[in-house]
Amino acid sequence: DQQVKQNSPSLSVQEGRISILNCDYTNSMFDYFLWYKKYPAEGPTFLISISSIKDKNEDGRFTVFLNKSAKHLSLHIVPSQPGDSAVYFCAARDAGGTSYGKLTFGQGTILTVHP
Amino acid sequence: DADVTQTPRNRITKTGKRIMLECSQTKGHDRMYWYRQDPGLGLRLIYYSFDVKDINKGEISDGYSVSRQAQAKFSLSLESAIPNQTALYFCATGQGYGYTFGSGTRLTVV
Repeated sequence: DQQVKQNSPSLSVQEGRISILNCDYTNSMFDYFLWYKKYPAEGPTFLISISSIKDKNEDGRFTVFLNKSAKHLSLHIVPSQPGDSAVYFCAARDAGGTSYGKLTFGQGTILTVHP
Repeated sequence: DADVTQTPRNRITKTGKRIMLECSQTKGHDRMYWYRQDPGLGLRLIYYSFDVKDINKGEISDGYSVSRQAQAKFSLSLESAIPNQTALYFCATGQGYGYTFGSGTRLTVV
């Protein structure tokens, strides 16, 4: 049972345009959501996060939107740059009981930004 | 030095062999995790530990075991390696507001 889903395995965008990466979740006990970025031969690194009490969080070119009623979040990158080419993982934090703090990750989306 | 160090970085082993992957962290966190990455499947949790005396199975623990030797050290063992355990393995530490990951161990079982 995949509780966090990224349905797009890959996304290709032209430099300067907007990249939109999507993520859906099913567990209502998730209270915090994160995006991680991964380059080849490196571990995932934290990019941006959002609490379930908010619907938007911005950090420079990166904005995360949360729609709790739809159990959907998205990451917008504007403008996209070739250096943004990487695998992006969505993650959700479990607020329930003994699992508190555990992160569940999606399958990842490979973003390619063309010059 | 990296916050989370994994050794080895790459390993090729034969089917049936026992292998240990090691992880150490300097972040001072109590919580440590082992994940496995496979193409199209994302990062899946193998085992996690909330402190030295607390070990929990993740979603894909069969065929794996762990040892939490100290707050800073968490090792993953494959008791009898099989080819479908070929994957990229990541250790992480963190308190839930974000994990810090190691650079990964690429394991190939032939």
